[in-house]
Amino acid sequence: AQSVSQHNHHVILSEAASLELGCNYSYGGTVNLFWYVQYPGQHLQLLLKYFSGDPLVKGIKGFEAEFIKSKFSFNLRKPSVQWSDTAEYFCAVMTYSSASKIIFGSGTRLSIRP
Amino acid sequence: EPEVTQTPSHQVTQMGQEVILRCVPISNHLYFYWYRQILGQKVEFLVSFYNNEISEKSEIFDDQFSVERPDGSNFTLKIRSTKLEDSAMYFCASSSSGTGTDTQYFGPGTRLTVL
Repeated sequence: AQSVSQHNHHVILSEAASLELGCNYSYGGTVNLFWYVQYPGQHLQLLLKYFSGDPLVKGIKGFEAEFIKSKFSFNLRKPSVQWSDTAEYFCAVMTYSSASKIIFGSGTRLSIRP
Repeated sequence: EPEVTQTPSHQVTQMGQEVILRCVPISNHLYFYWYRQILGQKVEFLVSFYNNEISEKSEIFDDQFSVERPDGSNFTLKIRSTKLEDSAMYFCASSSSGTGTDTQYFGPGTRLTVL
């Protein structure tokens, strides 16, 4: 069965630090990849998505992610985090065999020290 | 920006009771979804719905669950006889198309507590 693994359960950084959140998926076929963010008290929002083309995807709020097919990875990065980036981040995958079901990772809680 | 809304934000019910969770998808969207997240666990897909039919459902979505679009705006999830293990946050989502390249927009969730 398809699955998504997020390596870090909780990450604590200081403002201006660089961020990289790891994500790996298990599925041998073509996938669409997503990062969703959930700010405290808010709903899940799409941060960025990859479908095809350039494996380096830029999203909102300065986030980017790189799809490395050979590693089945889709890591999220931001060069300089802000206190307002405090949130839960979910990596997710959708396979071409099931174009309606998003499979989520367990999430990474990001805490930024001001 | 249009949003998916859900009511109630929190529902408390007794085991064995029926609950209906309500969602208002984005108005021009045609595809609707329910997900749930048990505390401390992953967000899990339950069901997708299009053209008044279930498109896909997970193994979680057994006979105790049903979905309905009773009118042109609401999309509901019914749990017929709730169990303790149904306690979770339930998220509704919608998208304009059902393709993998389309974005699913999520509502704020309904926290269901079964006592």
